[in-house]
Amino acid sequence: GENVEQHPSTLSVQEGDSAVIKCTYSDSASNYFPWYKQELGKRPQLIIDIRSNVGEKKDQRIAVTLNKTAKHFSLHITETQPEDSAVYFCAAPDFNKFYFGSGTKLNVKP
Amino acid sequence: DAGITQSPRHKVTETGTPVTLRCHQTENHRYMYWYRQDPGHGLRLIHYSYGVKDTDKGEVSDGYSVSRSKTEDFLLTLESATSSQTSVYFCAISEGAFNQPQHFGDGTRLSIL
Repeated sequence: GENVEQHPSTLSVQEGDSAVIKCTYSDSASNYFPWYKQELGKRPQLIIDIRSNVGEKKDQRIAVTLNKTAKHFSLHITETQPEDSAVYFCAAPDFNKFYFGSGTKLNVKP
Repeated sequence: DAGITQSPRHKVTETGTPVTLRCHQTENHRYMYWYRQDPGHGLRLIHYSYGVKDTDKGEVSDGYSVSRSKTEDFLLTLESATSSQTSVYFCAISEGAFNQPQHFGDGTRLSIL
């Protein structure tokens, strides 16, 4: 099955700085890559996704970039705010399933 | 938010007892999934369903069974619960399979003593 690796496992930034989380995947046939945000005690929520026919997608302060050749995709959060503090998960598909990264705990210090 | 209801939300039970968790959706989505979430392991797929009576195993299916007798309900059963199955269980639904987003329920916190 798909192997998804996510780095870093923890990330601490100052409010207003940028944060970048990177994921690599193994199946070159994968063509859809979502990112989820999970606040403490809550369910994972989709925040942005990208399909393989584009290299970048933006939604206000968040963006995702995809490099199919290198088989990696990254989440970029600009102008971070304390409410961005959460655990972020990437995922990659394999037939009917998704494989999730192990998560990145982002801490935004005010 | 996607219409997904998990029940119960919390459960404490003893080793060796059977446990059934329910996921109910109002979106008429074809695909439904059960995950468990443990510290350091992210979300791991237990079983999934791609239609009524159509199910398949995920990466951590041992000790679990599922059933889907109608589109809106997906049941996860622990036939004889063990302490290693203490976890938070999330149900997810999706319109499609590998190229559509999954939407998660609020989770069930299960403790097995």
